[in-house]
Amino acid sequence: DADVTQTPRNRITKTGKRIMLECSQTKGHDRMYWYRQDPGLGLRLIYYSFDVKDINKGEISDGYSVSRQAQAKFSLSLESAIPNQTALYFCATSDSWENQPQHFGDGTRLSIL
Amino acid sequence: KNQVEQSPQSLIILEGKNCTLQCNYTVSPFSNLRWYKQDTGRGPVSLTIMTFSENTKSNGRYTATLDADTKQSSLHITASQLSDSASYICVVNLSGTYKYIFGTGTRLKVLA
Repeated sequence: DADVTQTPRNRITKTGKRIMLECSQTKGHDRMYWYRQDPGLGLRLIYYSFDVKDINKGEISDGYSVSRQAQAKFSLSLESAIPNQTALYFCATSDSWENQPQHFGDGTRLSIL
Repeated sequence: KNQVEQSPQSLIILEGKNCTLQCNYTVSPFSNLRWYKQDTGRGPVSLTIMTFSENTKSNGRYTATLDADTKQSSLHITASQLSDSASYICVVNLSGTYKYIFGTGTRLKVLA
């Protein structure tokens, strides 16, 4: 089983719909992140959480919200999806120790029509 | 402005050949520099992490170098294999923060 699991892997939906992307991890890491990847751009941080009671905005949080339901679960919501939110979304985890790698899920490809 | 630039954007090589990918950064203050491999349809996977005091780190056929003075890093792939076909992403961590600045990647294709 994958250490970081994202569901769904693919989603096509319409403008205005509410979407939830889910992430679960078995690595036991406290830190979890949501990124989006667009063609020609580096990954950009949407939200991050350093423990269950800690939620922080990243550089592009507008239009998104998150929920950290447990140490192992971190979900991303688009309250009212718009076409420019079409992208590849990645969840990542990391240990709290410095200089440790981030571990990424395999992504959710989201298309908003 | 904190930026990470990678070159070339794409590269095609023959199986068995070596190649070197470049990363220049303007991130300050610097904590560490990472190289990730991203296969098509998959998430990035960590290859190496180098701190300010390290100037080289290897992971099998992958060797990363870091020159903190010139703010340059390279990833050298030795004896390439078809499975090396992927995007390679350079990432710099801002010291004392959660912030990771991602490059746009180099897309490598290895041909038989």
